[in-house]
Amino acid sequence: GDSVTQMEGPVTLSEEAFLTINCTYTATGYPSLFWYVQYPGEGLQLLLKATKADDKGSNKGFEATYRKETTSFHLEKGSVQVSDSAVYFCALEGSARQLTFGSGTQLTVLP
Amino acid sequence: DAGITQSPRYKITETGRQVTLMCHQTWSHSYMFWYRQDLGHGLRLIYYSAAADITDKGEVPDGYVVSRSKTENFPLTLESATRSQTSVYFCASTSRGASYEQYFGPGTRLTVT
Repeated sequence: GDSVTQMEGPVTLSEEAFLTINCTYTATGYPSLFWYVQYPGEGLQLLLKATKADDKGSNKGFEATYRKETTSFHLEKGSVQVSDSAVYFCALEGSARQLTFGSGTQLTVLP
Repeated sequence: DAGITQSPRYKITETGRQVTLMCHQTWSHSYMFWYRQDLGHGLRLIYYSAAADITDKGEVPDGYVVSRSKTENFPLTLESATRSQTSVYFCASTSRGASYEQYFGPGTRLTVT
């Protein structure tokens, strides 16, 4: 079945550091891929998505590129801020629109 | 209020009791989902629904029952709560078109003692 493997956390960075969170997936075909973010005490919010190979999703300075050769969708940001502290989830969409999530990566950004 | 809401936000119950978690969305989205969030597992799908009166099992359905008589509501019932069902439960919805964003509720934190 479908699965998503995500970089283990927690990740702690200083403000303005470069961020990479690795995500690889296993699925039949070429599913749409997503990054969701969860701030403390809240539900999940869509951060970005890509629906086909070589698509690049971007939002709020975050980027991820759909790489079918390596079945990856790594999340990157060039300069993180304290306000980026949250839990980040990689996910893929199944045939019934359901999402399969990675285990989540806790990011803490220190001032 | 517009959006997707869940109630209650917090619930403590005893082993063996029946508990119903409510989910309501105001967008008339076709699809609705229930996920549970546990440390180290991310979110796992319990049940989903493609339309009113159409439901199907997800990855971890055992011990849960759902119904969807109206498009806007998707209640989740724990028939006889167990400690392993202590978790945070999220409801989500999305429209019929492929690859649209899923909108998540604020979650219900359930503790089974």
